[in-house]
Amino acid sequence: DQQVKQNSPSLSVQEGRISILNCDYTNSMFDYFLWYKKYPAEGPTFLISISSIKDKNEDGRFTVFLNKSAKHLSLHIVPSQPGDSAVYFCAASKAPSGYALNFGKGTSLLVTP
Amino acid sequence: EAGVAQSPRYKIIEKRQSVAFWCNPISGHATLYWYQQILGQGPKLLIQFQNNGVVDDSQLPKDRFSAERLKGVDSTLKIQPAKLEDSAVYLCASSLFRTGRSYEQYFGPGTRLTVT
Repeated sequence: DQQVKQNSPSLSVQEGRISILNCDYTNSMFDYFLWYKKYPAEGPTFLISISSIKDKNEDGRFTVFLNKSAKHLSLHIVPSQPGDSAVYFCAASKAPSGYALNFGKGTSLLVTP
Repeated sequence: EAGVAQSPRYKIIEKRQSVAFWCNPISGHATLYWYQQILGQGPKLLIQFQNNGVVDDSQLPKDRFSAERLKGVDSTLKIQPAKLEDSAVYLCASSLFRTGRSYEQYFGPGTRLTVT
């Protein structure tokens, strides 16, 4: 069963605007959440993460918001740039210290000039 | 710092044949993972090693898949015999253990397997 869900397969945004990618999860035992970015023919690369004790984490143009009661997180990219065009995967883990990641199916983001 | 290395990058085999993939993790990374990514899906864990011991192989189809990590460094993943549904990208990842960023897994470029 899919414990991490990304219900939007694709998203198109104009350059300079905000991109919002959403993710829902079903397992209340998840306590660490990550976003990975993937370009074609490359492996996923880590983007940003958030612990369940926080509700927001920022890193430059990227901000992740966590709503534990709704079991929902989102990634905001402001401003969006054409180089941000990639597939974004939401992932979740149950515990610290190297537990494997449960991934969503990904959202393909296209940022147009 | 060198990244996670994988080979081969691409492999085409016929069903019922065998195939092996190799992974060299980032130096010093004690934890190594093999994921399977089927087209249109997110990566799914097959097996996790801590040094040369298996931590989790609950989703590894053990009747046809095997993996080993000799000496706690390089790892190989083998499929024998392959089925059509094994067509996927096989990703290797590694991470440090018990650090402030132990969740951060570094992925290799993957091996794209096509079974015909």
